[in-house]
Amino acid sequence: AQSVSQHNHHVILSEAASLELGCNYSYGGTVNLFWYVQYPGQHLQLLLKYFSGDPLVKGIKGFEAEFIKSKFSFNLRKPSVQWSDTAEYFCAVNARGSGYSTLTFGKGTMLLVSP
Amino acid sequence: DTGVSQNPRHKITKRGQNVTFRCDPISEHNRLYWYRQTLGQGPEFLTYFQNEAQLEKSRLLSDRFSAERPKGSFSTLEIQRTEQGDSAMYLCASSITLGEADEQYFGPGTRLTVT
Repeated sequence: AQSVSQHNHHVILSEAASLELGCNYSYGGTVNLFWYVQYPGQHLQLLLKYFSGDPLVKGIKGFEAEFIKSKFSFNLRKPSVQWSDTAEYFCAVNARGSGYSTLTFGKGTMLLVSP
Repeated sequence: DTGVSQNPRHKITKRGQNVTFRCDPISEHNRLYWYRQTLGQGPEFLTYFQNEAQLEKSRLLSDRFSAERPKGSFSTLEIQRTEQGDSAMYLCASSITLGEADEQYFGPGTRLTVT
């Protein structure tokens, strides 16, 4: 079974600071990787995904993530955060070839951006 | 709004009562998932349907939980004899099969409080 670890439970940044949220997964096979975001009072939304190909993937709102297979990592980055990026961020993984797509989530990282 | 919808959004019930939640997926999506999320945790998989067939159930899903998707469209999740430990946000997600990978779209959730 796969598992996901997110390094920080809470992150506080000032506007314009750079962001990197860590995500490591544990699984012996090939995986699909996702970052979801939950803005206050809203439902989970897909931020970006990696299925195959270029390990650097770009998502919405200026976010990007890099898949490093050797490190089992899929860290989320943004060069300059905005107050509107305040949200909870979840890393998730599913196993390719499993026949279905059940997601395993990390515990989430709450990001607070101060203006 | 053509996204995933869930009803009710909030449910307060007394311990020992039965509750039922409904999920309406995006219309062309053949896959439907139920997850449960508690405070400080990421969503945890409960069960999965492809069309009307329930293909997988998590060990988290005790005998008191049952889910149906009778016509391959909407789904219901019933909890019998609720316990305080059932208090959580119940999330529904849907997707359409895209080979080895798909994107799950989440609904707003039903927040259950068992008193």
